[in-house]
Order: sequence, then structure tokens, then C-alpha cells
Amino acid sequence: EVQLVQSGAEVRKPGEPLKISCEASGYTFTQFWIGWVRQVPGRGLEWVGVTYPGASDTRYSPSVQGHVTISADTSTNTLYLQWSSLRASDTATYYCVRSTGRLFTKNDDWGPGSLVTVSS
Amino acid sequence: QSALTQPPSASGSLGQSVTISCSGSSSDIGAYDYVSWYQRHPGKAPKLLLFDVNTRPSGVPDRFSGSKSGNTAFLTVSGVQPEDEADYFCNAYAGHKYVGVFGGGTKLTVL
Repeated sequence: EVQLVQSGAEVRKPGEPLKISCEASGYTFTQFWIGWVRQVPGRGLEWVGVTYPGASDTRYSPSVQGHVTISADTSTNTLYLQWSSLRASDTATYYCVRSTGRLFTKNDDWGPGSLVTVSS
Repeated sequence: QSALTQPPSASGSLGQSVTISCSGSSSDIGAYDYVSWYQRHPGKAPKLLLFDVNTRPSGVPDRFSGSKSGNTAFLTVSGVQPEDEADYFCNAYAGHKYVGVFGGGTKLTVL
């Protein structure tokens, strides 16, 4: 059984750094794309980006390119999403998602979500 | 890339059929058959309902079906049940520059 266990809720101030995590189990971590989808309160879902741990290939949505970094540790099967300087607009629930094909439209497994709140 | 457009709400009486639309463009839904739908109950993670426009993963009831016409995709729930009351999101491939686009979500109410 695939499990995606995410880190807990975080509250930060604008300008602060943050790194959230997602530990994957139940499948071969290096053989599937895995990434982050967010939902800003009152809005729809939005891809943040995805990475292929087996090849260190990472792709970002244009809206976040340069503002976040996605990384993966294949020794611990853990996916990370980090910011060096948070903005209020980063407030959202972030879901860890495993994609099994169809150019990132077949997203079979989702984590429970990590709420990130950025407020002064 | 703009998000896909879904109606914010939809409703149907128990046992009726309900169809939810997802409007995109000739660069996403109109260009590829990579469209998927997700169901999300309050406080839960989204669940994959359909992929490749109308393919159900194992375990998804056959009352859920999908279709596409031009730049718009559709999710139909035939014979809605109380447990179908949830938010529904569409997702489409939008070309190599993008990871993909999602719709804004539709809240389905079962009357």
C-alpha cells in the first residue's frame, strides 16, 4: 500500500524560510514522478512542481519558478518543498502527490496535506 | 496558463444524474486526451476518479463517467448517492511548458 506521510502544519512570518516534507513508502521511490499540488483558501488546486527522484529531473509551474525548490532524498524516500523567503501568498494547503503517468494527469496517491500559514 | 473553468456548484436529487463541466482551451483539453477528475471530501485528500478522459481506476463505481467535446470535458454521475456529496476537480495536460492545469472545483450537493 502506497503511503505519503506529510509534515505538520506550519506558521511563519513573511520573509522567513521553510521546508516541508513528505515521506513515501509502499513503492519504489525512484521509479515514479512525485510532486506538490497546493490549494489556496477559496481557490482551486494548482501544481507547484514535480520531480523524478531516479533521474533528478524537476519541473516547476511558471507561477512558482524561482521562488520554491523541490528536492528528493532517495536514501530516506523523502520529498521536500522549501522556500528561502515566504510570502503571504504562499498560504495554502500543500499536498504531496505521486503521479503514475499520462503526463501528470494520472495522480493516484495523495498525502493528507500540510497547511502553511504565512502571516505577520 | 489559466486554470480550467468549472461551475462552483452543482446539485441533483438522490438517484438523478448530474453532469459537471470543465472548460479549457485548444492548448489543453482541446489538444490532448489527458484529462482526469478527482473527488475530495471535506478534510480528506483528493481521490482519482477518472483519467484519460473516461477511464476509471479499479474500485471507482461505474456510475462515474467522463467525456470530452472540443475544449470542454464533462464528469457525469449517474444516480447520485449521498456519499457523492463532495468537491470535484478536473485536471488536464497543457503542454511541455506546464506540469498541468486544474479546475477551480465544483461542490456537488445531493438533495
